[in-house]
Amino acid sequence: KQEVTQIPAALSVPEGENLVLNCSFTDSAIYNLQWFRQDPGKGLTSLLLIQSSQREQTSGRLNASLDKSSGRSTLYIAASQPGDSATYLCAVSNRGSTLGRLYFGRGTQLTVWP
Amino acid sequence: DVKVTQSSRYLVKRTGEKVFLECVQDMDHENMFWYRQDPGLGLRLIYFSYDVKMKEKGDIPEGYSVSREKKERFSLILESASTNQTSMYLCASSLKGLAAPYNEQFFGPGTRLTVL
Repeated sequence: KQEVTQIPAALSVPEGENLVLNCSFTDSAIYNLQWFRQDPGKGLTSLLLIQSSQREQTSGRLNASLDKSSGRSTLYIAASQPGDSATYLCAVSNRGSTLGRLYFGRGTQLTVWP
Repeated sequence: DVKVTQSSRYLVKRTGEKVFLECVQDMDHENMFWYRQDPGLGLRLIYFSYDVKMKEKGDIPEGYSVSREKKERFSLILESASTNQTSMYLCASSLKGLAAPYNEQFFGPGTRLTVL
């Protein structure tokens, strides 16, 4: 069974710092990896999706990389802002299933203070 | 934009009541999912559906059932609500199959259910 781990569980940084969130998964036969953002009491917002054939994806100040062979992904946030404060979750879908079931990590709770 | 809506943001029910949570998506997605999210446990998959009238159990189906009579609507049913079903419930949808854009999932805003 796929297991997804996110480190650190919580992170607190001053505004303006560049930061990296880590995600690892146990089964490298994945279909894709998706990064989400969740604000308190809200649903999940999709940030980036990396297909298994890709190495990275970028959206604005966010860059996600994927190293499938080592079972790792990182989410890089440049020039962090207080509005980036949220919980960030990564999730993978496995090959062999067209149902698109996702396996989630427990998230990294990010606080960016002014 | 894909839109996934859930019938209620907040719901308070009593133990033993039958509870219906509704989810509707407007992008003609085949796959729909119900999760619950609890502090310290993360998101856990309850049930999913890959077509009308089709359903599959997730990791924690006990105490729940689902209904998918129309493609756009997926309902989660708590047959007899219990206090341990107090949680945040999240619905999601995605396209299906190898031809899809790799099954990106889109989530609704969530329903915070409290069972007293």
